[in-house]
Amino acid sequence: SQQGEEDPQALSIQEGENATMNCSYKTSINNLQWYRQNSGRGLVHLILIRSNEREKHSGRLRVTLDTSKKSSSLLITASRAADTASYFCATASGGSNYKLTFGKGTLLTVNP
Amino acid sequence: DGGITQSPKYLFRKEGQNVTLSCEQNLNHDAMYWYRQDPGQGLRLIYYSQIVNDFQKGDIAEGYSVSREKKESFPLTVTSAQKNPTAFYLCASSPSDRGRQPQHFGDGTRLSIL
Repeated sequence: SQQGEEDPQALSIQEGENATMNCSYKTSINNLQWYRQNSGRGLVHLILIRSNEREKHSGRLRVTLDTSKKSSSLLITASRAADTASYFCATASGGSNYKLTFGKGTLLTVNP
Repeated sequence: DGGITQSPKYLFRKEGQNVTLSCEQNLNHDAMYWYRQDPGQGLRLIYYSQIVNDFQKGDIAEGYSVSREKKESFPLTVTSAQKNPTAFYLCASSPSDRGRQPQHFGDGTRLSIL
């Protein structure tokens, strides 16, 4: 079952613009993680935000978390062509049998 | 360089054949995972292992089997019982299974039917 759902499914922007992707989830979480996947490659972890945090930054990335709305957003500022990839949110929940549940991803295309 | 190595990169399966996908990590991580990714889809968990000689079924374990005889190795066998095996398979590891740490991924094995 999909816990996280990203929106939009696809996003195309020009280099230098900002890109915003959203993730909604259904049940309470321990943390929410964002990953990036280049075509045909494995996933790379970008940022982890815990349920008691509201905002986190890492370089050009900014992640927010609103647990009351069960949603998160990933903002990439000053995008570059190299940012072209699929971006996935994953939620960690559960007790001793926790697992990460991934959404279907947002395909971001940054045009030079 | 520490990381996760998956092999082979491409694999073809004949009807009725079992195939084994390799996953090795040198990150000294306790937990390891296998995911399946279909086109345009997210990752679905097949099996995961918290420690050596122990593993649990994920959401789509039917038609798959695993073993965890060594900390650094977690091979996945796609059996003939898996009727739709064509997919991209990703192996991952993390320092623990508690979900509080990010997972590190290999570069995947693409499995196709001959």
